[in-house]
Amino acid sequence: EDQVTQSPEALRLQEGESSSLNCSYTVSGLRGLFWYRQDPGKGPEFLFTLYSAGEEKEKERLKATLTKKESFLHITAPKPEDSATYLCAVPNDYKLSFGAGTTVTVRA
Amino acid sequence: GEEVAQTPKHLVRGEGQKAKLYCAPIKGHSYVFWYQQVLKNEFKFLISFQNENVFDETGMPKERFSAKCLPNSPCSLEIQATKLEDSAVYFCASSQQGHGSEAFFGQGTRLTVV
Repeated sequence: EDQVTQSPEALRLQEGESSSLNCSYTVSGLRGLFWYRQDPGKGPEFLFTLYSAGEEKEKERLKATLTKKESFLHITAPKPEDSATYLCAVPNDYKLSFGAGTTVTVRA
Repeated sequence: GEEVAQTPKHLVRGEGQKAKLYCAPIKGHSYVFWYQQVLKNEFKFLISFQNENVFDETGMPKERFSAKCLPNSPCSLEIQATKLEDSAVYFCASSQQGHGSEAFFGQGTRLTVV
């Protein structure tokens, strides 16, 4: 059974304090790794897809990277509006297996 | 449309009543997925469709849950005889090429069974 594990479970940051979130996976034949952002009471919002080790994607203050065993989501100089739960997911047969998420809180 | 539209946003049902949830996928997307989010971030896969055909229904409790995606109509997820444990947020997602491509999620329907 494919497994997706995210750490830490929660992250409290001061505005401007950069940090990284981890997503480790065990999957046979990776067919992509997806990062989503979920705000309270909303659906997951797609952020990035990574397909191969060494690949990097950037969007504003977020950068996602991928190795053969894990992915990192780097948040550079975060702002309060970056507060959310960040989810990673991998295709598992014909469905997505989600990690439990990292809840990020950025204080002004 | 440009986003996945789910209705209603909230639904309250007495135990044993029927609940029906709707989802309009993004235009041009061939795949539709239903997920149940019970605990804070735990997503449980229910069923997927490729156009109007069931693609994978391994997550569906078939005795009470059913789903359809008919041409020119929103997709639907129906729960007969709801139970307290069905209380959850139900998300619909759509994608162009199954889960090898990005899936875009709706805002969810919060079902509360009392």
